[in-house]
Amino acid sequence: NAGVTQTPKFQVLKTGQSMTLQCAQDMNHEYMSWYRQDPGMGLRLIHYSVGAGITDQGEVPNGYNVSRSTTEDFPLRLLSAAPSQTSVYFCASSPGQGLGNTIYFGEGSWLTVV
Amino acid sequence: EDQVTQSPEALRLQEGESSSLNCSYTVSGLRGLFWYRQDPGKGPEFLFTLYSAGEEKEKERLKATLTKKESFLHITAPKPEDSATYLCAVNAGNNRKLIWGLGTSLAVNP
Repeated sequence: NAGVTQTPKFQVLKTGQSMTLQCAQDMNHEYMSWYRQDPGMGLRLIHYSVGAGITDQGEVPNGYNVSRSTTEDFPLRLLSAAPSQTSVYFCASSPGQGLGNTIYFGEGSWLTVV
Repeated sequence: EDQVTQSPEALRLQEGESSSLNCSYTVSGLRGLFWYRQDPGKGPEFLFTLYSAGEEKEKERLKATLTKKESFLHITAPKPEDSATYLCAVNAGNNRKLIWGLGTSLAVNP
């Protein structure tokens, strides 16, 4: 009963380093997305995917890349980390993008860029 | 501009003291309003979806209602385990993305 699994849970990066946040879901969901959550800003959509091989930008995509080679996995890549990317990142999935589809969130990944 | 505002920012209740959280929205063409619960250090957990004014949904001590301008999350006789941040999100217009509020942090004292 794993649901949406994110790794790592915590990460400290130096400015300019790159890294990948991993996300996997075992519910065979078509729709996956990445959010960041910052105090006073709420949840903001970074990138999303409506199926394997299809990705699109969300509200705050700059500095991040995604790919969706399989239905299960949706990694988020930070290309050159900046202090402004210090945040909590949530991966989410749902059966589809329609309104009736419940969104399931992972436990979050806490990223600090120094 | 589409906007979702939640109030109050924080609420402290005594166990058994009922209250309501508010989610007001200004959007063009509401397609759905969602309530989520978020515990510290965890991801948001789905509670309810409301689609049209007048709709109500209940789950244990929680009841969500929707009008044309706002939604209320009523908490009846809360318990300490109801302590969490409650998030509201709205989907409107032709854009399928969600607009999230900042949440209400609820603390229920025993």
